[in-house]
Amino acid sequence: DIVLTQSPGTLSLSPGEKVTLSCRASQSVSSGYLAWYQQKPGQAPRLLIYGAFSRATGIPDRFSGSGSGTDFTLTINRLEPEDFAVYYCQQYGSSLLTFGGGTKVEIK
Amino acid sequence: EVQLVESGGGVVRPGGSLRLSCAASGFTFDDFAMSWVRQAPGKGLEWVSGINWNGGSPDYADSVRGRFTISRDNAKKSLYLQVNGLRAEDTALYHCARAIGHSASHYKYRDAFDMWGQGTMVTVSS
Repeated sequence: DIVLTQSPGTLSLSPGEKVTLSCRASQSVSSGYLAWYQQKPGQAPRLLIYGAFSRATGIPDRFSGSGSGTDFTLTINRLEPEDFAVYYCQQYGSSLLTFGGGTKVEIK
Repeated sequence: EVQLVESGGGVVRPGGSLRLSCAASGFTFDDFAMSWVRQAPGKGLEWVSGINWNGGSPDYADSVRGRFTISRDNAKKSLYLQVNGLRAEDTALYHCARAIGHSASHYKYRDAFDMWGQGTMVTVSS
């Protein structure tokens, strides 16, 4: 099974700041099959990025994904108030789909 | 409106059973592979099971294999999860999720998920 490790666990930031979230895989993720989700309290996850760097429909361009192999990054340029949430990465390149443990982005 | 709506959750004793349902609307259901993903209270996301658009090639996480069965009825635009032999560790919010269609795998549910339902809660307690 591919284990995804997200870091840091929590980030305390102010609106307008730039955020870089990390997702590291225990083995190479086939074909860059890596997705990022945003989840707010009481809501279902929302797909942000798939295929490591493709933005999902309706996602603002302040969200961007990068990386390959075992190291992936989600960047949020200029945090908006609605961006404070938990972010999960997910790999879908192996028979067992797995998610990272999440990074919480909170207001400083 | 384009949405997924789950139902069928509840409180059951260990060893009990439930049938979870997911009703799709606003899109061509049989164009998409589907999965169930669960989230224990205060915890992260765990993929549980997936099924191709035609009901073929179902698969399961090891933690539920042999106890859970996924199925779909495209005429009713519905996805199901029969959950048997429930354990305390199965307590979670169960979401159905639609595969975006990016994966080149034969198992089309091995994909990112671009639509999620709000979930149905399963609580296993004696």
